[in-house]
Amino acid sequence: KAGVTQTPRYLIKTRGQQVTLSCSPISGHRSVSWYQQTPGQGLQFLFEYFSETQRNKGNFPGRFSGRQFSNSRSEMNVSTLELGDSALYLCASSWDSNYGYTFGSGTRLTVV
Amino acid sequence: GDSVTQMEGPVTLSEEAFLTINCTYTATGYPSLFWYVQYPGEGLQLLLKATKADDKGSNKGFEATYRKETTSFHLEKGSVQVSDSAVYFCALRKGSSNTGKLIFGQGTTLQVKP
Repeated sequence: KAGVTQTPRYLIKTRGQQVTLSCSPISGHRSVSWYQQTPGQGLQFLFEYFSETQRNKGNFPGRFSGRQFSNSRSEMNVSTLELGDSALYLCASSWDSNYGYTFGSGTRLTVV
Repeated sequence: GDSVTQMEGPVTLSEEAFLTINCTYTATGYPSLFWYVQYPGEGLQLLLKATKADDKGSNKGFEATYRKETTSFHLEKGSVQVSDSAVYFCALRKGSSNTGKLIFGQGTTLQVKP
């Protein structure tokens, strides 16, 4: 079966712009989580959605937001981009949070 | 707060050597524990997991035992291959339901030389 699909794979944006990243979970998975991965901070939890509702949120500024659609697909948005937002953004899905999470290959965002 | 600590890398081994990557955690309650592996340019792959004390997770020759008394979940493999070269992440998930939040260690890079 298809895995977790993230688009685009690579993205270059200018400081001050906004960006939207997309994640299509494995069919049937209802929970979608987002993580930011950087060399300095490692893997940090952004937020989790379950059945279109945000269930958990990490310690990121309000510039980072997300949503989940009725088909479980999820998007995350970052507004007013800063150089420090350059990172690999990973999406993970699961049928339920009590099960293991499957990660996508990520979107590499570079802010210049 | 909850946290995961992994041994510093990189770990460099010769093919067929024994591997141990140490992982300890701090958490209240009874978290679930995971090992993930990340190959260059890819996302994370679940390697193994354990959900309660004394559980042993295993997959592809890798093993880890959930030790509550030492709050540890060390990863081991009896004979590594060059193809095992990757970054390994230890992670925990709080034991309570309704949370998919994983807390990761900083990752340990493994380099296996032929």
